[in-house]
Amino acid sequence: EAGVVQSPRYKIIEKKQPVAFWCNPISGHNTLYWYRQNLGQGPELLIRYENEEAVDDSQLPKDRFSAERLKGVDSTLKIQPAELGDSAVYLCASSHGWLAGISRPYEQYFGPGTRLTVT
Amino acid sequence: GQNIDQPTEMTATEGAIVQINCTYQTSGFNGLFWYQQHAGEAPTFLSYNVLDGLEEKGRFSSFLSRSKGYSYLLLKELQMKDSASYLCAVKDNYQLIWGAGTKLIIKP
Repeated sequence: EAGVVQSPRYKIIEKKQPVAFWCNPISGHNTLYWYRQNLGQGPELLIRYENEEAVDDSQLPKDRFSAERLKGVDSTLKIQPAELGDSAVYLCASSHGWLAGISRPYEQYFGPGTRLTVT
Repeated sequence: GQNIDQPTEMTATEGAIVQINCTYQTSGFNGLFWYQQHAGEAPTFLSYNVLDGLEEKGRFSSFLSRSKGYSYLLLKELQMKDSASYLCAVKDNYQLIWGAGTKLIIKP
């Protein structure tokens, strides 16, 4: 079974330029997550989708970040314009359904990430 | 507020045993995960605890005490390939809260 696929793996851009990341989750996983991870820190959730609906985007900097998950499968995350502080690894993860209150949340499967460097 | 604490770094010897602690304060609790992350790679799932006690899985075991807000990951018979960061994550009522991770260095 194929894992979570992300592209590109690496991206170097100048500040104020736009950038987009793409993610294809594991087949059958209807929950998709975008995380940002800085060196020496844990992942920081940016947005969580249940199918095509963004159900948690409270940590997404909406002035410059946007995301979409058309048809509830693939997803893209965009930054426009990028800032120096956006340099990080952007991780996509997927899991089976995330049900609030259910005692057995499902483990998340992560893609390899996109390492973004903003110069 | 919500908080997860782990030691930043630990060092252990190949073949030995190491215990990585995690303490948490969250508004709710619906389980605790441990993930392993090798340098430059994505996190991979290791274990899940929701009830008090020890869960054993090969060389790795994870323990949970809900009353103390405490968990540990126990790694036995350490191998060089166990050099990685170990992330503790707690699910409260709505979200998964991640710790900063513990970098484990294995020496020969």
